[in-house]
Amino acid sequence: QVQLQESGPGLVKPSQTLSLTCTVSGDSITSGSYYWSWIRQPAGKGLEWIGRIYPSGSTNYNPSLKSRVTISVDTSKDLFSLKLSSVTAADTAVYYCARELRYFDYWGQGTLVTVSS
Amino acid sequence: QSVLTQPPSVSAAPGQKVSISCSGSSSNIGGNFVSWYQQLPGTAPKLLIYDSNKRPSGIPDRFSGSKSGTSATLGITGLQTGDEADYYCGTWDSSLSARVFGGGTKLTVL
Repeated sequence: QVQLQESGPGLVKPSQTLSLTCTVSGDSITSGSYYWSWIRQPAGKGLEWIGRIYPSGSTNYNPSLKSRVTISVDTSKDLFSLKLSSVTAADTAVYYCARELRYFDYWGQGTLVTVSS
Repeated sequence: QSVLTQPPSVSAAPGQKVSISCSGSSSNIGGNFVSWYQQLPGTAPKLLIYDSNKRPSGIPDRFSGSKSGTSATLGITGLQTGDEADYYCGTWDSSLSARVFGGGTKLTVL
């Protein structure tokens, strides 16, 4: 059973960089033809795909966030990471990591990140 | 404004059937598989339907999916109070080169 767990600061100051890590367990991050994605959800709102990475390091990003997003992978540790720069209050959300094929079949429990001074 | 359009809410009585629509365009639903997710309050989304009409192991056959042209539909029969949740459709948008979701539909079982 694949499990994903997000970790990182729950509070980030405006203009700073949000950094989160997703640790994968139960299988290797390099097994299968899976992408590894980040998705966020502001309180009371819908899901927004942030971007994804393939174990080779190839990435795709949401065009609306592309200038501020970096997703990286560490295959030796079975984890992948998200960096979102120049954050504002609009980036306050629950951030999820998920395994992606043509769909998202495994999700982390989510972690709330609040942007506030 | 979401790329995919869903009704904000639907409701039906226990035991009844409900359909949730998801409308898109040729660059997303029209050319790609659709997936559906159920999100119970305070929890992460859960995969209900993949590849437009397939159910993962453990998902009851009360849940079904279909796709026609640039629209997709999630059907739920034999409604139970435990089905009250938000439902999201998702797919790949070939023009954006990005995953996109619908805005979500809140299901109320009266």
